[in-house]
Amino acid sequence: DAKTTQPPSMDCAEGRAANLPCNHSTISGNEYVYWYRQIHSQGPQYIIHGLKNNETNEMASLIITEDRKSSTLILPHATLRDTAVYYCIVRSQGGSEKLVFGKGMKLTVNP
Amino acid sequence: ETGVTQTPRHLVMGMTNKKSLKCEQHLGHNAMYWYKQSAKKPLELMFVYNFKEQTENNSVPSRFSPECPNSSHLFLHLHTLQPEDSALYLCASSLVTSGSTEAFFGQGTRLTVV
Repeated sequence: DAKTTQPPSMDCAEGRAANLPCNHSTISGNEYVYWYRQIHSQGPQYIIHGLKNNETNEMASLIITEDRKSSTLILPHATLRDTAVYYCIVRSQGGSEKLVFGKGMKLTVNP
Repeated sequence: ETGVTQTPRHLVMGMTNKKSLKCEQHLGHNAMYWYKQSAKKPLELMFVYNFKEQTENNSVPSRFSPECPNSSHLFLHLHTLQPEDSALYLCASSLVTSGSTEAFFGQGTRLTVV
């Protein structure tokens, strides 16, 4: 079972920041927070991951609370192409640990 | 382009046919995965291979038979499938290390069983 909780959907205006929340209250010390997204009928795309520090890359920023029980994915300037299902996943350390997907959150970016 | 290539992209097969899905990666990864995504459902993990050895089978029916001849290639052999097996089949790979690494996914094979 997925160890994360996300709202089922969210809307965002094009050009604005999209803040996608995720709760992972049972996360353990060696588990990372991963974010993926899936554009309709394509394979999931890796976005970012982190352990306890905030992370930023060319796609997004990841803010993890100090108690690590929740996190927020930030898309700083959402575009129409960011419309997708976003998955927040916790995964243990070690590259072979499986990714368990939940239902994710559908982000719709509106013009 | 993620570096994980799946073929074919689309497949229509009858219930008595035998077909195979292919996945390959040249990313130097040593773990590979098969996932199934039925309409309006989350991705379901089917099989995990680490260093060519199967380490997980999520109670997948025997009509799905995986094969991993080397770390770069993964197959899913299909026989006597049912219409409810119609789905998007996704392959992924990752690097087994002591740290954290991301998994990369192929674009999937859209399978229709008629």
